[in-house]
Amino acid sequence: DAGITQSPRHKVTETGTPVTLRCHQTENHRYMYWYRQDPGHGLRLIHYSYGVKDTDKGEVSDGYSVSRSKTEDFLLTLESATSSQTSVYFCASEASGGDTEAFFGQGTRLTVV
Amino acid sequence: AQTVTQSQPEMSVQEAETVTLSCTYDTSESDYYLFWYKQPPSRQMILVIRQEAYKQQNATENRFSVNFQKAAKSFSLKISDSQLGDAAMYFCAYRGTFSGTYKYIFGTGTRLKVLA
Repeated sequence: DAGITQSPRHKVTETGTPVTLRCHQTENHRYMYWYRQDPGHGLRLIHYSYGVKDTDKGEVSDGYSVSRSKTEDFLLTLESATSSQTSVYFCASEASGGDTEAFFGQGTRLTVV
Repeated sequence: AQTVTQSQPEMSVQEAETVTLSCTYDTSESDYYLFWYKQPPSRQMILVIRQEAYKQQNATENRFSVNFQKAAKSFSLKISDSQLGDAAMYFCAYRGTFSGTYKYIFGTGTRLKVLA
């Protein structure tokens, strides 16, 4: 399995506080992705990266920002957490353009109270 | 924009029987990839099977096979000889190959129950 880890695995935070989730991969993959999973919605793309400092928005990017200063790390920040951002967050990485597969982290369960 | 639709929120199958999960997608691209991912209760996302759009031959992985109909934009998954361990959420996904489409678009998922 590809070495991709998310931290933290679980987090409870208060409304209005900033939160940063980290995704770390050891495979030198070029592409990295952040998704959120909610019942009835499947996985929805928040942001993705196609290289260091190269990022783009997904379909549910409002309220989220990302940074990728190194190949191995992709950070997701909730600037001011809201209850609607309570979800399970998945990070994924991929070596190249669809030739391989996306490898997923184990997910972070975030609860905003 | 590309979209992926899974119209079956839940399916059931008897152990050892065959079940087919449906997926349709919409795109204007001619070259792309399609995937089925499995998510068991552990939450881990596991690749089941991959299809390249330029290949007419349907992909097969052991008991899992797809029926890829490019003109109809349909990509169904057939599970043969279903086992209890096949019980999971199954997600269909699309990945483009052109700039701006380097992202996986997922359907809403189908929960598969396997009955003993």
